[in-house]
Amino acid sequence: DIQMTQSPSSLSASVGDRVTITCRASQGISNYLAWYQQKPGKVPKLLIYAASTLQSGVPSRFSGSGSGTDFTLTISSLQPEDVATYYCQKYNSAPFTFGPGTKVDIK
Amino acid sequence: EVQLVESGGGLVKPGGSLRLSCAASGFTFSSYSMNWVRQAPGKGLEWVSSISSSSSYIYYADSVKGRFTISRDNAKNSLYLQMNSLRAEDTAVYYCARCPPRAATFDYWGQGTLVTVSS
Repeated sequence: DIQMTQSPSSLSASVGDRVTITCRASQGISNYLAWYQQKPGKVPKLLIYAASTLQSGVPSRFSGSGSGTDFTLTISSLQPEDVATYYCQKYNSAPFTFGPGTKVDIK
Repeated sequence: EVQLVESGGGLVKPGGSLRLSCAASGFTFSSYSMNWVRQAPGKGLEWVSSISSSSSYIYYADSVKGRFTISRDNAKNSLYLQMNSLRAEDTAVYYCARCPPRAATFDYWGQGTLVTVSS
């Protein structure tokens, strides 16, 4: 099975900073990659699918890129409401594995 | 408005069984693939199982294969997860989640139901 890794596991940044999270698949998955945001105590929310397509209603400061094995989630200007854990997920074929998550908080 | 409401969680002893349900509303349930995703306390997300709109395609994570069974009743707009031979490591919040068309991503989630496996 394809394994998903994320780096870093956690980060602390200032409001307004550009934040980048990396997700890597152990084998190529084309662009079948999604990103989710889970705020503390809340249900996960789909942010991005097809590696770079923003889900409806998601702020434009979020963007995704990548294809094959290496993917990136970028928050162009970190806001206090972006404090959350971010997960990548592969969906080219089952199992639809999630990455271990990256916890983002405010410095 | 899309709504997914899980029920059936609770405390069960190791080796026991539990059946989770997810009641769907606000969309044409019979047209969408559905899923169960779980999250152990303080841990990350783990995909558990998926079922296609007509139940033709069913998939399981290796960690639950042979013990859990996913099913649906399109007439009742309901999704189910029968969990047998439960283990302590199955303790988690179980979420019901919908797939958008032609993608195994999860665009709507329920609030989750907690399953605790403990003696």
